[in-house]
Amino acid sequence: SQQGEEDPQALSIQEGENATMNCSYKTSINNLQWYRQNSGRGLVHLILIRSNEREKHSGRLRVTLDTSKKSSSLLITASRAADTASYFCATDARETSGSRLTFGEGTQLTVNP
Amino acid sequence: DTAVSQTPKYLVTQMGNDKSIKCEQNLGHDTMYWYKQDSKKFLKIMFSYNNKELIINETVPNRFSPKSPDKAHLNLHINSLELGDSAVYFCASSRRGPGGGTYNEQFFGPGTRLTVL
Repeated sequence: SQQGEEDPQALSIQEGENATMNCSYKTSINNLQWYRQNSGRGLVHLILIRSNEREKHSGRLRVTLDTSKKSSSLLITASRAADTASYFCATDARETSGSRLTFGEGTQLTVNP
Repeated sequence: DTAVSQTPKYLVTQMGNDKSIKCEQNLGHDTMYWYKQDSKKFLKIMFSYNNKELIINETVPNRFSPKSPDKAHLNLHINSLELGDSAVYFCASSRRGPGGGTYNEQFFGPGTRLTVL
């Protein structure tokens, strides 16, 4: 299976609710990044968390990283219809340090007004 | 003021044709990439250039040839197009981390939707 697997594949919630997406990976990492992709658009970087960090916040976004479990989660609080998009995690693996990011398969989030 | 731009946005062509996609970034980044996103939205890296030097060349058919005339441009030429080449192709750029290791965020272009008939 792929480095960087998101779970769930699809998530549908009501506006105002929180959305949690998970990402698992297989190798040691330097950092893990989350990206958003709106329909028909390119990916937009949301947040980067380094391997020595456990939690990071940016506005309504909260990312956690558990390197012992090789997993990360992205929490979007008080979701809005405009948050509807696909969300991808991407890892910078130590073994290929500085050469690439590996993207997961994404979680499709739908926020219903 | 577009950071990473790609042309064309849409490309519809016949099997067997040769086509090119152009990418330019005005962010002063030293590393550029080409990704292919399939119909299931899986994003796979194809190539990466750092300071005009090829540093990643995944198992991509040699019908695909990237060209980087300078740090701000990375073009993708595809020969003898096949049906399976239909996808969205994204260009991206970033700055390498200190000492060349670890990545900073990547900035993506809007994508080129290639349809091969």
